[in-house]
Amino acid sequence: DTEVTQTPKHLVMGMTNKKSLKCEQHMGHRAMYWYKQKAKKPPELMFVYSYEKLSINESVPSRFSPECPNSSLLNLHLHALQPEDSALYLCASSQAPGGDYGYTFGSGTRLTVV
Amino acid sequence: GEDVEQSLFLSVREGDSSVINCTYTDSSSTYLYWYKQEPGAGLQLLTYIFSNMDMKQDQRLTVLLNKKDKHLSLRIADTQTGDSAIYFCAENIAAGNKLTFGGGTRVLVKP
Repeated sequence: DTEVTQTPKHLVMGMTNKKSLKCEQHMGHRAMYWYKQKAKKPPELMFVYSYEKLSINESVPSRFSPECPNSSLLNLHLHALQPEDSALYLCASSQAPGGDYGYTFGSGTRLTVV
Repeated sequence: GEDVEQSLFLSVREGDSSVINCTYTDSSSTYLYWYKQEPGAGLQLLTYIFSNMDMKQDQRLTVLLNKKDKHLSLRIADTQTGDSAIYFCAENIAAGNKLTFGGGTRVLVKP
């Protein structure tokens, strides 16, 4: 298995909803990442988990809450989002922190906040 | 500081070679990457180069790195219509464990 799997692929949520994005990899990678990508823009780093511990939080608002239950799973819990949070959310993993041999990205969850 | 820049757009005829350029500012970059993104899809790692290398070739792809000028390029030989996509260069600074992307170059391959 050489993939990063993200679910759901599409999500529409209201501003008062609570939802979660899920990411899974079975490549034995020990670093996992959340990126946010707005239309026609490059991905922007949100969070980094190294060995299941949060190592980087790029000043992301608290309405986004990451969780790494084990080395294969990464969740992003969403609560009280704003319409401007609508974007493609990408999960990635790498063999180790530092990204040697590259980062593998999932196909993303396209989130629309209404 | 971290800043990665790319030209916005490249148009090329099918069968010709494409060259996508990228400049970066952080000399402590350890790895530099090229990713491809098709409409509505995630990012596909095309190739990467370690900072102590000058060149890397992988089938139709050739990466050139000029570390002195902090310039990275991706050459796609015999460009096909399936190569139409946005191409992002990215640098990795190991100490920061961060991948910083350029703005992306939209490549359009015309038949």
